[in-house]
Amino acid sequence: EAGVAQSPRYKIIEKRQSVAFWCNPISGHATLYWYQQILGQGPKLLIQFQNNGVVDDSQLPKDRFSAERLKGVDSTLKIQPAKLEDSAVYLCASLRHRDVNIQYFGAGTRLSVL
Amino acid sequence: AQSVTQLDSQVPVFEEAPVELRCNYSSSVSVYLFWYVQYPNQGLQLLLKYLSGSTLVKGINGFEAEFNKSQTSFHLRKPSVHISDTAEYFCAVSEDDYKLSFGAGTTVTVRA
Repeated sequence: EAGVAQSPRYKIIEKRQSVAFWCNPISGHATLYWYQQILGQGPKLLIQFQNNGVVDDSQLPKDRFSAERLKGVDSTLKIQPAKLEDSAVYLCASLRHRDVNIQYFGAGTRLSVL
Repeated sequence: AQSVTQLDSQVPVFEEAPVELRCNYSSSVSVYLFWYVQYPNQGLQLLLKYLSGSTLVKGINGFEAEFNKSQTSFHLRKPSVHISDTAEYFCAVSEDDYKLSFGAGTTVTVRA
């Protein structure tokens, strides 16, 4: 089966610009996660979706970050406006159903904010 | 809330030598434990997991880990490493809510 797809792979923007990332999870996976991985750190959860509903967005900086999963399949994460400290890899992951508890990760989008 | 501490940030090791990566966690409830590997410019790939049952867990690529509840540890081992094992390794913990909390990672560099 196809894995988690993310695009773009790399993005360079200037501070105060806007950027959007796209994720297509594995087919049939109801739960979708966005993580932020800053260089030298482990991934940090930003938001978790179950189908098209938000389960947890407590760590999402809502003044500048937004995410949606309108049809319960693919998802977009947006940053507006970007700050220098947003430079990181943004990882998307999906999980099939609750009793498996294994998340599958995409290759990520590397964002550089100049 | 759970947290994960990976005790070594960098582990250099010679090819065919054994390696151990240390992971300790804190949680007030039962947990699920995971090790993921991240090769350069790639996403995370699951190496192994502990959900319940035997405390010695075997994973892919010859890795294994042992869950020690009394010491709240989940150390990863491989008896003989290859150059291709050069990567970053993350320990993660999950409680019943199926959210992963990751450690800061351990960079393993295998030298010939």
